[in-house]
Amino acid sequence: EMQLVEAGGGVVRPGGSLRVSCAASGFNFGDYAMSWVRQAPGKGLEWVSGVNWNGRDTNYAASVKGRFTISRDNAKNSLSLQMNSLRAEDTALYHCARVSGRYLSRQNWFDPWGQGTLVTVSS
Amino acid sequence: SYDLTQPPSVSVSPGQTASITCSGDRLGNKYTSWYQQRPGQSPVLVIYQDTKRPSGIPERFSGSSSGNTATLTISGTQAMDEAAYYCQAWDINTAVFGGGTRLTVL
Repeated sequence: EMQLVEAGGGVVRPGGSLRVSCAASGFNFGDYAMSWVRQAPGKGLEWVSGVNWNGRDTNYAASVKGRFTISRDNAKNSLSLQMNSLRAEDTALYHCARVSGRYLSRQNWFDPWGQGTLVTVSS
Repeated sequence: SYDLTQPPSVSVSPGQTASITCSGDRLGNKYTSWYQQRPGQSPVLVIYQDTKRPSGIPERFSGSSSGNTATLTISGTQAMDEAAYYCQAWDINTAVFGGGTRLTVL
């Protein structure tokens, strides 16, 4: 069974940093691009970042570019998101999701999704 | 930036057909995926590449896309289909989600 389990969420002050991670199992992690998608409380889904299968190509939403960094370790079946200069508007449940192919491209979709890890930015 | 627009809410009676639209500039030239999210749960893929249904998704879920609009159709809607539904497409190599539609089965 394919599974994605996020960890590392918590409460952080504005301007602070946090690193969240996602452990993958049940599929060949190194064959797929991966993404982070967040959902603020009571709001819709917002794509945050993605990385291709070998980690060499990354992309970010405009709202996080320059502050967040996505990375992966295929040997450990792990995806990470380093979040710096956090703002109150970054408060959300952060889901990792598998992309259906090796690249972040128009023919792909997200499946499966993890349960998410909650990041709260508050003073 | 590329935007996808969905109606905030749609209501349907049990057994009837629900249609949820997603609008974007020349969306028909892109691939649209649809996700179902029940309260307190993670999103689940219900349609990909405009019209394809993943294994395990009931046949009552179908999708179409043309021009500027993609549509998710649920035939013979059941109470268990009550959820939020999100469309998604790619703008070059960044993903975009619609604002979501809350489906109420009355």
